[in-house]
Amino acid sequence: QQQVKQSPQSLIVQKGGIPIINCAYENTAFDYFPWYQQFPGKGPALLIAIRPDVSEKKEGRFTISFNKSAKQFSLHIMDSQPGDSATYFCAATPYSGAGSYQLTFGKGTKLSVIP
Amino acid sequence: DTGVSQDPRHKITKRGQNVTFRCDPISEHNRLYWYRQTLGQGPEFLTYFQNEAQLEKSRLLSDRFSAERPKGSFSTLEIQRTEQGDSAMYLCASSPKTGGSNEQFFGPGTRLTVL
Repeated sequence: QQQVKQSPQSLIVQKGGIPIINCAYENTAFDYFPWYQQFPGKGPALLIAIRPDVSEKKEGRFTISFNKSAKQFSLHIMDSQPGDSATYFCAATPYSGAGSYQLTFGKGTKLSVIP
Repeated sequence: DTGVSQDPRHKITKRGQNVTFRCDPISEHNRLYWYRQTLGQGPEFLTYFQNEAQLEKSRLLSDRFSAERPKGSFSTLEIQRTEQGDSAMYLCASSPKTGGSNEQFFGPGTRLTVL
């Protein structure tokens, strides 16, 4: 059972474009939603995270939009650069623990930003 | 470098052999996690420690797998009688307890290849 569904699987944009990656979750106990960036051969790096008490969060060129009623959240990358080419993962976990701190990840989106 | 470190970075072994990986978390992070990532997939949770106590284990952690964190600092993950299906990237992450944050910071991973 896949608890976090991520789309698209791959995405190609031109430099300066705004790629958008979408995730949907099923478990209503989830209330912490991070995004990770992973380059080949490296571990995932935490980019930005949101809790459902806000609908949007911005950090630099990265923005998370959150729709609690639809149980969906998305990552927008403003003014994308070739250096942003990587695989992006959304994830979810219960923030307060509830006995579990494990992150449940989506399957990832491979982003290519072409010059 | 004050990030999560893992050793070795790569391990090639023959089927049936035992392997052990080490993870050193960020200093003063008392939560430590192990994940497994196969090609084209997101990381999957294996187990979680708070200090030296192993508090959560995934069903993915078969009886051939054992993890320890004896003094609440570094952790080891051992796989006995390795199988080809164990080939994957093994990721370690750590997070601080204070503030209730579940921000998890990942190491570079250990890539295991079972021949």
